[in-house]
Amino acid sequence: SQKIEQNSEALNIQEGKTATLTCNYTNYSPAYLQWYRQDPGRGPVFLLLIRENEKEKRKERLKVTFDTTLKQSLFHITASQPADSATYLCALSSGGYNKLIFGAGTRLAVHP
Amino acid sequence: DTAVSQTPKYLVTQMGNDKSIKCEQNLGHDTMYWYKQDSKKFLKIMFSYNNKELIINETVPNRFSPKSPDKAHLNLHINSLELGDSAVYFCASSPPRGSRGASDGELFFGEGSRLTVL
Repeated sequence: SQKIEQNSEALNIQEGKTATLTCNYTNYSPAYLQWYRQDPGRGPVFLLLIRENEKEKRKERLKVTFDTTLKQSLFHITASQPADSATYLCALSSGGYNKLIFGAGTRLAVHP
Repeated sequence: DTAVSQTPKYLVTQMGNDKSIKCEQNLGHDTMYWYKQDSKKFLKIMFSYNNKELIINETVPNRFSPKSPDKAHLNLHINSLELGDSAVYFCASSPPRGSRGASDGELFFGEGSRLTVL
């Protein structure tokens, strides 16, 4: 059956370090993969989209990689700040009509 | 402000009641969605409408009935509420593919409606 796993429920890092979050999937062949940020009590906010034919995408301090052979995406936040503390969700396209399947999320805590 | 707005933000009700959640977007998007986020934080798609037409209908009890009076509105009506319906319900919209200034498939979410069934 189709499955999406995000590496850990929680990740704690020191301010200034690079945070790396993992999204693994099985039994999917997604056309694209997206990352969202969700703060407590708020709706998810779109961060980045990467297509199956792209290896890497960057936006400011964010970088996403997509390895369709390993069936894995890595999400990096460089020079992390306490304001980056949030839950990060990966989402894969599944079939047509922009149907997205979300992972459970990784809660990132950046400590001063 | 341009946004996806949902009402009510909080809803507490008794088992067996019927309730509705309303959603409106003024982003000019053609496609709208309802997602459910349970206590374990999994966000699961329920329905999607494109220009008032139902295009995604996941395995959801038929007590849940979406209605889209126009492409800017997507409401969710729930009959005979059960304890397991307690969750946060998110409305979202997305622009047509290839729209200027938007990535393909990017979802714009509302702030959520927290439903508690007692």
